[in-house]
Amino acid sequence: DVKVTQSSRYLVKRTGEKVFLECVQDMDHENMFWYRQDPGLGLRLIYFSYDVKMKEKGDIPEGYSVSREKKERFSLILESASTNQTSMYLCASSLGWGDTEAFFGQGTRLTVV
Amino acid sequence: GNSVTQMEGPVTLSEEAFLTINCTYTATGYPSLFWYVQYPGEGLQLLLKATKADDKGSNKGFEATYRKETTSFHLEKGSVQVSDSAVYFCALRKAAGNKLTFGGGTRVLVKP
Repeated sequence: DVKVTQSSRYLVKRTGEKVFLECVQDMDHENMFWYRQDPGLGLRLIYFSYDVKMKEKGDIPEGYSVSREKKERFSLILESASTNQTSMYLCASSLGWGDTEAFFGQGTRLTVV
Repeated sequence: GNSVTQMEGPVTLSEEAFLTINCTYTATGYPSLFWYVQYPGEGLQLLLKATKADDKGSNKGFEATYRKETTSFHLEKGSVQVSDSAVYFCALRKAAGNKLTFGGGTRVLVKP
């Protein structure tokens, strides 16, 4: 089975801190994604990566950056955390272009105080 | 741009009731359509999909038909169980793309 693992289930950080959310997949997938999930808004794409060191902005990239130095790992970085970044963050991966299934991690619930 | 609209919840049902969750989309071309389910405390799992008009996706007693003429992909189940309590997300991916666009999610609660 494909496994997408997010390093933390719950995080509490202070305003202004630099926050790293880590995601690892074990199936050699090309694509990796970071979404945030908020009630009533569904999942919104922050960034995605289709290859090592390659990244593209999603719908809501402001306040975030990403890093993909190895194929299996995709990190989301909050340069200076703010309270409006309190949310559930979901990582996903998929094999390639076209009709391939996306697999999701369990999510990281981040609270910024 | 692409967008997905689904009915707001929560939807509360009794066991063995019929479930329908409406989903409509806006997209150019011929996107693929998906339903994902999120059980409490878990990530999203693919429930079913359809890749072209009139295709029917089905899994675990759930069904949805890709209706190009009404740009819809409504999810149905004839007899729900308590274990179907979850949040359901409709999503699309444009042809030859790799990004999913999600609806807002519909929380379903099935009571015994």
